[in-house]
Amino acid sequence: DSGVTQTPKHLITATGQRVTLRCSPRSGDLSVYWYQQSLDQGLQFLIQYYNGEERAKGNILERFSAQQFPDLHSELNLSSLELGDSALYFCASSSRQNTEAFFGQGTRLTVV
Amino acid sequence: DAKTTQPPSMDCAEGRAANLPCNHSTISGNEYVYWYRQIHSQGPQYIIHGLKNNETNEMASLIITEDRKSSTLILPHATLRDTAVYYCIVRVYSGNQFYFGTGTSLTVIP
Repeated sequence: DSGVTQTPKHLITATGQRVTLRCSPRSGDLSVYWYQQSLDQGLQFLIQYYNGEERAKGNILERFSAQQFPDLHSELNLSSLELGDSALYFCASSSRQNTEAFFGQGTRLTVV
Repeated sequence: DAKTTQPPSMDCAEGRAANLPCNHSTISGNEYVYWYRQIHSQGPQYIIHGLKNNETNEMASLIITEDRKSSTLILPHATLRDTAVYYCIVRVYSGNQFYFGTGTSLTVIP
């Protein structure tokens, strides 16, 4: 158990819909990362937050957005969903920007 | 962009040491080498990281060459549960994302 909690574990939704994925980092960790892993694809970095502020942005679509709240949990919002958005979405956290990150078990999103 | 090169796949006999190589010839002086693994579709699991000295923890050993252009992750006694994709990542210690390339798919054979 990495200490990073992601909810829900599974999510099935229809095209055009909007969903929110939640991540609770390890206690005390200030940095949160979001990754997307499509079927048979590598892990693609989406975005990073550090203590509530956006720190780095990767290949995140404009339809996607994220935020980190004062209690340090983070949410990834995916809107106008397309079939191609079906993937595993992982959250990771680290105590500061300069340490190893620990990953949650992911949310499996299926868009039908 | 990928800064590391790893073989796409390797096999290892159960109980033997698994030695996973990684080339990072363009590594900068302030970049660390990290190793993660991903078992099936689970979340990536942190294994070990180092700068220039060899490192060992309860999971593995990391051997970094003196010129730091390559490294080897050693799983001393591989078990079937070590079958996974192993990722070698170079990252500035205060950097941002961890870039996951294609990794090495390790299969431990009974």
